[in-house]
Amino acid sequence: NAGVTQTPKFQVLKTGQSMTLQCAQDMNHNSMYWYRQDPGMGLRLIYYSASEGTTDKGEVPNGYNVSRLNKREFSLRLESAAPSQTSVYFCASSPLLGSEQFFGPGTRLTVL
Amino acid sequence: DQQVKQNSPSLSVQEGRISILNCDYTNSMFDYFLWYKKYPAEGPTFLISISSIKDKNEDGRFTVFLNKSAKHLSLHIVPSQPGDSAVYFCAASVLYNNNDMRFGAGTRLTVKP
Repeated sequence: NAGVTQTPKFQVLKTGQSMTLQCAQDMNHNSMYWYRQDPGMGLRLIYYSASEGTTDKGEVPNGYNVSRLNKREFSLRLESAAPSQTSVYFCASSPLLGSEQFFGPGTRLTVL
Repeated sequence: DQQVKQNSPSLSVQEGRISILNCDYTNSMFDYFLWYKKYPAEGPTFLISISSIKDKNEDGRFTVFLNKSAKHLSLHIVPSQPGDSAVYFCAASVLYNNNDMRFGAGTRLTVKP
C-alpha cells in the first residue's frame, strides 16, 4: 500500500500561472483534505471532501479550487498563482471526519 | 484565530530523559485530540490520540494527558531517544462532525545523545 501520494514534489511558478496538485489514496478512506503549512504556523485547511461528490471550504480557501474526481483522488488547483501561495501543500485522508488523518509527503510550491 | 496553541517552538532534552510537550486549546467544543510527528521533507504521521471522555492514553513510550478544565493537553515521551527528534503538532477536532480539526504551530524536539 502506497498510502497517500502527491505529485509533484516540487514546483516553481510565475505569478499568474496556473497548476493542479494531484493527490491519491489507496486506503479506501471517505474523507480527504488539502492543507498548507507556512513557517511558524500550523497546518491550515484549504478545502476538504467529506465523501465522494462533496467538497467544502476550510479555513483558507481563497485562490484555490478542488475536485474530488473519485473516492481515491482529490486535486487542488491554483488558477492564478500569487507569491502569497508559496507554501508546502499536504494532502491527507481519513476514514471518518475528525479522526486521525494520513498525510502525503507534501508539495513544495514557490511562486515568483 | 488560533484555537490550538503550542507556546514552545522548541525543546531540547537528553537521551533517556522525559520529554514533555504542551498544548492549549480555546474551543470547548473540541472532543478529540491528536499528536502528530513530522520529520523534514515528510508529511506528518499520526502518533497518539485521546478522547475527551478520558484524561490519559498510553501507547508504549508515549502518553497523552488531557486536562479539560484547563483546556490543556501534554505529550510525555519516556525515555526519549534520538530518533524522536522531530516536529510535533498538536491537533484538536470535533469527532464525526464537519471538519473542524485545528493544528498548533508545532514544537521542534531535539533529543541529544
